Amino acid sequence: SAVISQKPSRDICQRGTSLTIQCQVDSQVTMMFWYRQQPGQSLTLIATANQGSEATYESGFVIDKFPISRPNLTFSTLTVSNMSPEDSSIYLCSAQLRVNYGYTFGSGTRLTVV
Amino acid sequence: AQKVTQAQTEISVVEKEDVTLDCVYETRDTTYYLFWYKQPPSGELVFLIRRNSFDEQNEISGRYSWNFQKSTSSFNFTITASQVVDSAVYFCALSLRDDKIIFGKGTRLHILP
Repeated sequence: SAVISQKPSRDICQRGTSLTIQCQVDSQVTMMFWYRQQPGQSLTLIATANQGSEATYESGFVIDKFPISRPNLTFSTLTVSNMSPEDSSIYLCSAQLRVNYGYTFGSGTRLTVV
Repeated sequence: AQKVTQAQTEISVVEKEDVTLDCVYETRDTTYYLFWYKQPPSGELVFLIRRNSFDEQNEISGRYSWNFQKSTSSFNFTITASQVVDSAVYFCALSLRDDKIIFGKGTRLHILP
């Protein structure tokens, strides 16, 4: 079955640094989505990444803080920039891998900022 | 604006009991899609069901069933004869035009042995 691979699976980072999360899909998809799940909370959409165009960010999220790349139809990266402890969350990528089906999620990146 | 409300924050039932998780959604669009996801303690998100707004048929899959009622904007999920392995957080979600998904806050379900 189609899968989404995400890495790293977890990381502990120093405040003020940046981390880039990679998401690889094993089939071509038009849209990829990046979500944040803060501890004990629901998922919040950060942005939608389309190949060949700028990502579309949701309210409360900005490109300077969460730059996204989408170089082709199977790959995307999310960078968490200038991190602070408040950025400690699980970050997940998602895509719809089959028409008329649910969205598949990567296994997530558990980020701790110290 | 679109919104998904899961009023039950946490539910505990004894194994083999039936349990229903409530989901109420808001949208002005006539075309939309509703989802349920399961997030077990391991953290991955497991897709359970997708339903489009034009299909109000209830769905049954093994011990799981879903009741979609447009008149009350609800998409409730019932687990019959619950098992300990059903313990997880369950999210109801909504998308328009099969686009980005908006999640409810989730219901944490504890199945007690």
